[in-house]
Amino acid sequence: AQSVTQLGSHVSVSEGALVLLRCNYSSSVPPYLFWYVQYPNQGLQLLLKYTTGATLVKGINGFEAEFKKSETSFHLTKPSAHMSDAAEYFCAVSSPNNAGNMLTFGGGTRLMVKP
Amino acid sequence: DADVTQTPRNRITKTGKRIMLECSQTKGHDRMYWYRQDPGLGLRLIYYSFDVKDINKGEISDGYSVSRQAQAKFSLSLESAIPNQTALYFCATRIGYAGDTQYFGPGTRLTVL
Repeated sequence: AQSVTQLGSHVSVSEGALVLLRCNYSSSVPPYLFWYVQYPNQGLQLLLKYTTGATLVKGINGFEAEFKKSETSFHLTKPSAHMSDAAEYFCAVSSPNNAGNMLTFGGGTRLMVKP
Repeated sequence: DADVTQTPRNRITKTGKRIMLECSQTKGHDRMYWYRQDPGLGLRLIYYSFDVKDINKGEISDGYSVSRQAQAKFSLSLESAIPNQTALYFCATRIGYAGDTQYFGPGTRLTVL
């Protein structure tokens, strides 16, 4: 079975500050890892994903994440927060072995950006 | 035009009523999914379909049913709605590879009174 834990359901940062959203996963096989963002009243949009290859993955809007197998983590970072980054962020895991290649989501982290 | 559309976007209904939520996609993907979102729980899978003849239960299928009318259409039904089915419902599509991106619709906000 696979699972995802996102530490911190709410994170607040000042504009211009570092954004760090934490994600830890469990998976019995090498995982595929995703970060999705949900803006108010919208569906989920892919920020970035890790499948194979380079463990540091760059996504849209200046976000990046690093896959650390030894720590079973896939934390999301952005050097400088912008007001437009305020949204809910979801980490998710999939693997080639689970039926339907289903995505399992974490509980989400709501990012608030203060002026 | 959006690649994945959902209708209705908002619905208020009463306990015991039958409700159908519809999803259409123009991406040509075979795999379609229905999720519900609840605060603090993220998204949980209700049903998924590999093609018109292949439908599978997800993590929380009790109280729900689905129909895959065509490759592009996947409907979710609540046969007899209850208040704890109040949630945000999302449809998603994917080509098929586990590492591929899932594309989400805008969601349907359902309230059961």
